[in-house]
Amino acid sequence: GAGVSQSPSNKVTEKGKDVELRCDPISGHTALYWYRQSLGQGLEFLIYFQGNSAPDKSGLPSDRFSAERTGGSVSTLTIQRTQQEDSAVYLCASTPNPVGPYEQYFGPGTRLTVT
Amino acid sequence: ELKVEQNPLFLSMQEGKNYTIYCNYSTTSDRLYWYRQDPGKSLESLFVLLSNGAVKQEGRLMASLDTKARLSTLHITAAVHDLSATYFCAVDRGSGSRLTFGEGTQLTVNP
Repeated sequence: GAGVSQSPSNKVTEKGKDVELRCDPISGHTALYWYRQSLGQGLEFLIYFQGNSAPDKSGLPSDRFSAERTGGSVSTLTIQRTQQEDSAVYLCASTPNPVGPYEQYFGPGTRLTVT
Repeated sequence: ELKVEQNPLFLSMQEGKNYTIYCNYSTTSDRLYWYRQDPGKSLESLFVLLSNGAVKQEGRLMASLDTKARLSTLHITAAVHDLSATYFCAVDRGSGSRLTFGEGTQLTVNP
């Protein structure tokens, strides 16, 4: 079946612009996670959704970062006024439900470059 | 704060040799995951270890978990070039919680 999909696969933006990254989880998966991977910081958690609510958004690095999830499916991560340190690969993952344990299934990622 | 440490971070080995990657974590958890990442690709789940003493094997890879020592190992037997990748261990604290990842071990298997 279809896995987690993310778009765009690559995004180059100028410093100060806003960007939106999209994640489509596996159909029926209620839990959705955002992480980012960068050379200096490794893999970092950003936010977790259960359905449309976000019980854990403690990993968002600043108030320039926000995320939402609609219809218990698609999620959008928005970064406002991008900075060069935001350059990273943003990964989305989903699991069937949070009462697992289930491994998280990862999407291919969005590579964000801020120039 | 949960911390996860892997060693070695870089591993270059010859085909046919055996080696072990270690993953230590700082607080109690019974759930440990191993992932593989090829260059430019996403994370692929390898193993899910859920209890003390758990051992799982797939091909030339075997993973184990000792929750009392807060240690997991990923053992590579008779390495082949196709195993070249970065391997991550990760720990969570229960249902619905985030994964905390180790730094990753970049494995290169030379012919």
